[in-house]
Amino acid sequence: DTAVSQTPKYLVTQMGNDKSIKCEQNLGHDTMYWYKQDSKKFLKIMFSYNNKELIINETVPNRFSPKSPDKAHLNLHINSLELGDSAVYFCASSQRTSVSSYNEQFFGPGTRLTVL
Amino acid sequence: RKEVEQDPGPFNVPEGATVAFNCTYSNSASQSFFWYRQDCRKEPKLLMSVYSSGNEDGRFTAQLNRASQYISLLIRDSKLSDSATYLCVVNIGDGGATNKLIFGTGTLLAVQP
Repeated sequence: DTAVSQTPKYLVTQMGNDKSIKCEQNLGHDTMYWYKQDSKKFLKIMFSYNNKELIINETVPNRFSPKSPDKAHLNLHINSLELGDSAVYFCASSQRTSVSSYNEQFFGPGTRLTVL
Repeated sequence: RKEVEQDPGPFNVPEGATVAFNCTYSNSASQSFFWYRQDCRKEPKLLMSVYSSGNEDGRFTAQLNRASQYISLLIRDSKLSDSATYLCVVNIGDGGATNKLIFGTGTLLAVQP
């Protein structure tokens, strides 16, 4: 059983297009995240949601809009794609706990976005 | 200065060697610490958490020095299957909804037969 799944796995598109990436987790977690890993392999958080509520919103262009229809899903919509958006986008999930910050994040397989 | 700094490597070692990775972090309010492993074209996966007293998991030993803001990972008796990128990660959140993992750029390990 896939714990965190993302679709599509690969996405090739033209500059200026709008695209969406979907993420689902079946772990029963209440917190989900989007990360971007650039060409230099640097992984950086973009957003986090807890129970459908936006918690973390890093300095990301407002062309990127996350949407969480329920706590098992967190989708990422990107408007007016630019060359610099080419990267691997990872979704992740974890379970919030008030007693420890040592809670593991589980990552999806990634979506490799190429903007031409 | 990057929030989490690692030597990018690559570290090329023979099978059976012992290899050590180091990492420093800049945010003294960091709450928890981890090593993640990322295989080529795959997602990161938790290798081990790092606790103040140091901890061991089989061939892997992790150490944390909060005063120096320094984390290490020691791999003994390297296997070919250990070849991967090792990511040093700190959590500057408090375990509640504000969990925020900051990743280092990773250290590439290549174990040679």
